[in-house]
Amino acid sequence: SYALTQPPSVSVSPGQTASITCSGNKLGDKYACWYQQKPGQSPVLVIYQDTKRPSGIPERFSGSNSGNTATLTISGTQAMDEADYYCQAWDSSTVVFGGGTKLTVL
Amino acid sequence: QVQLVQSGAEVKKPGASVKVSCKTSGYPFTSYGISWVRQAPGQGLEWMGWISVYNGNTNYAQKLQGRVTMTTDTSTNTAYMELRSLRSDDTAVYYCARAYNYATPLDYWGQGTLVTVSS
Repeated sequence: SYALTQPPSVSVSPGQTASITCSGNKLGDKYACWYQQKPGQSPVLVIYQDTKRPSGIPERFSGSNSGNTATLTISGTQAMDEADYYCQAWDSSTVVFGGGTKLTVL
Repeated sequence: QVQLVQSGAEVKKPGASVKVSCKTSGYPFTSYGISWVRQAPGQGLEWMGWISVYNGNTNYAQKLQGRVTMTTDTSTNTAYMELRSLRSDDTAVYYCARAYNYATPLDYWGQGTLVTVSS
C-alpha cells in the first residue's frame, strides 16, 4: 500500500522559515494537501492541490510538490503555528495520510 | 457558514457497535460527500472511508471492510458512521469531514467524537 513519510518533529525559531517534508513514491504525480492540527482541536486544511491556500489561511503558508517530495513551508513562523502537520494524498481511490510532524516554535 | 456537528462521546464494550452522527449545515448537503477519519490517542490520522451523499456510493478503507457502514439521511442533512465488532484498538476520536468527492481535500471537519472501547 502507498505510504507517506514525514519527519516526526521540526523545530524553528520565531520569525524564521519552517519546512516540513512529505515523501512518497512519485508523489509529484499526485496532488498533495496539508492539514494543521492543534492540541485538542480538529484538523484544518492549510494547503490543497500542492500549492493552493483555502480562504482564511495566512500567506505565510505555502506548498510545493515535485518528484517524490511535497513540502509545506511556513515563512515568518509565529508561535501560533506550533502544531502537528499532516500531509495527505490519494492512491487508488484511497486517502493516505502521512504520520504527522510536530512543529515546535522556540 | 459550513458546520459539521457530531454526536457525543461513547463508551462501548468489546464486541459492541457504535454509530456516530454528523449533522451538517451551511451548504447543499447532496452536492458533497463525507469522509470519516479517526485518530487513536497520541497517534496520527487514519482515513476510514467516504460516502457520496448524492447517490450513496461508498469507498471504505480495506482495513475496515466488513466492519464499517457509512450512510446519510438527506431529510436531516446528517451522515452516519457505524463500526461493529469493536476492539480496544478502535478507541479513538472519530471525525467527519466534507469532501466534494473521494479525491478532493477534506475542507471542513466536525469537532470529533471520542469512542472508548473498554471492558
